[in-house]
Amino acid sequence: QLHLQESGPGLMKPSETLSLNCTVSGGSISSHDFYWAWIRQPPGKGLEWIGNIYYSGRTYYNPSLKSRVTISVDTSKSQFSLKLTSVTAADTAVYYCTAPQYASPAAIDYWGQGTLVTVSS
Amino acid sequence: QSVLTQPPSASGTPGQRVTISCSGSSSNIGSYHVYWYQQLPGTAPRLLIYRSNQRPSGVPDRFSGSRSGTSASLAISGLRSEDEADYYCAAWDDDLSGPVFGGGTKLTVL
Repeated sequence: QLHLQESGPGLMKPSETLSLNCTVSGGSISSHDFYWAWIRQPPGKGLEWIGNIYYSGRTYYNPSLKSRVTISVDTSKSQFSLKLTSVTAADTAVYYCTAPQYASPAAIDYWGQGTLVTVSS
Repeated sequence: QSVLTQPPSASGTPGQRVTISCSGSSSNIGSYHVYWYQQLPGTAPRLLIYRSNQRPSGVPDRFSGSRSGTSASLAISGLRSEDEADYYCAAWDDDLSGPVFGGGTKLTVL
């Protein structure tokens, strides 16, 4: 049973770079069965896919965020990470790290608890 | 504005049957399975239905899903107070090359 835990700053200023880590336990981050993905949810709103990474390092990003997003994986730490540059208030959201199934990337069995990131001057 | 369209709210009384719709297009629901997620207040979403009509272990058989053409629906029978939550549909989308979600439906048990 995978367990995912997000970590990172809760409050940021506009134009800064958001950096979040997700620590994976209960299974291998080198598993062929899962992607590692970030999804966000603005307060009171719906879910938005940010991007996926496979253990091999291959990445897939939402085109609307692609110019600002980098997702990477560190197998030695069993972590994957999100960097989002030039944040604005519109990036205020709960950020979830998730593990979508490789065979069905819209099927997400495992979610972190989520971390609220607030962008405010 | 979400790629998949859901009604913003739904309601029912205990014991009733409610359905939540999810409308998409040929690039998502029309070509791929639909997934449903339940999000209780203050918690992360939980996979409720996969491959349009399959239930993960632990999900009561009161929950069922269906898909036809470019639409899908989630049905909850024998409504209970603990079903009060937000429900999201999702599907792979060829245009995005990623998963897309509905805007969510807030279910109230009266």
